[in-house]
Amino acid sequence: DTEVTQTPKHLVMGMTNKKSLKCEQHMGHRAMYWYKQKAKKPPELMFVYSYEKLSINESVPSRFSPECPNSSLLNLHLHALQPEDSALYLCASSRPDSGNYGYTFGSGTRLTVV
Amino acid sequence: AQSVSQHNHHVILSEAASLELGCNYSYGGTVNLFWYVQYPGQHLQLLLKYFSGDPLVKGIKGFEAEFIKSKFSFNLRKPSVQWSDTAEYFCAVNEGRDDKIIFGKGTRLHILP
Repeated sequence: DTEVTQTPKHLVMGMTNKKSLKCEQHMGHRAMYWYKQKAKKPPELMFVYSYEKLSINESVPSRFSPECPNSSLLNLHLHALQPEDSALYLCASSRPDSGNYGYTFGSGTRLTVV
Repeated sequence: AQSVSQHNHHVILSEAASLELGCNYSYGGTVNLFWYVQYPGQHLQLLLKYFSGDPLVKGIKGFEAEFIKSKFSFNLRKPSVQWSDTAEYFCAVNEGRDDKIIFGKGTRLHILP
């Protein structure tokens, strides 16, 4: 299995809703990432988990809450989002010392906040 | 802080033309360098990577890139492009001491059939 699986593929939520994005990989990767990608822009790093511990938070607003329940799963909990948070949310994974190996990306969740 | 510059924002070529996309990075220490491709409606895929050794790196689909340390560059090349190469191309850099990869703004490549 050489994939990163993200669910759901599409999500529409209101500004008062609570929802979660899910990411799963079974490649034995111990680093996992959330990126946000707006249309025609590069991916922007949000969070990095290394060995199931949060190692990097790129000053992301608290309405985004990451969780890594185990080495294969990464969640992103969403609450009280704004319309400008609408974007493609990408999950990625890598072996530790990811620079040497590169990331494997999921296909993303396209989020629309209404 | 590291940064990545891609100078060509939008490139239009005819099939069989040669391609070179520029990428420069700012970090002066040890770096790991990547090119990713994103085909329309699809997820990011790794084209090639450099972390040590031969500065000329060969990737998938006939792409290659050359790391020139003195110029802080990692340009992507392909001798003869195909219509199927139409995509967005992202250069990315990692300092090699943490897990963070930073992406350039991307180059949108459009190949005319």
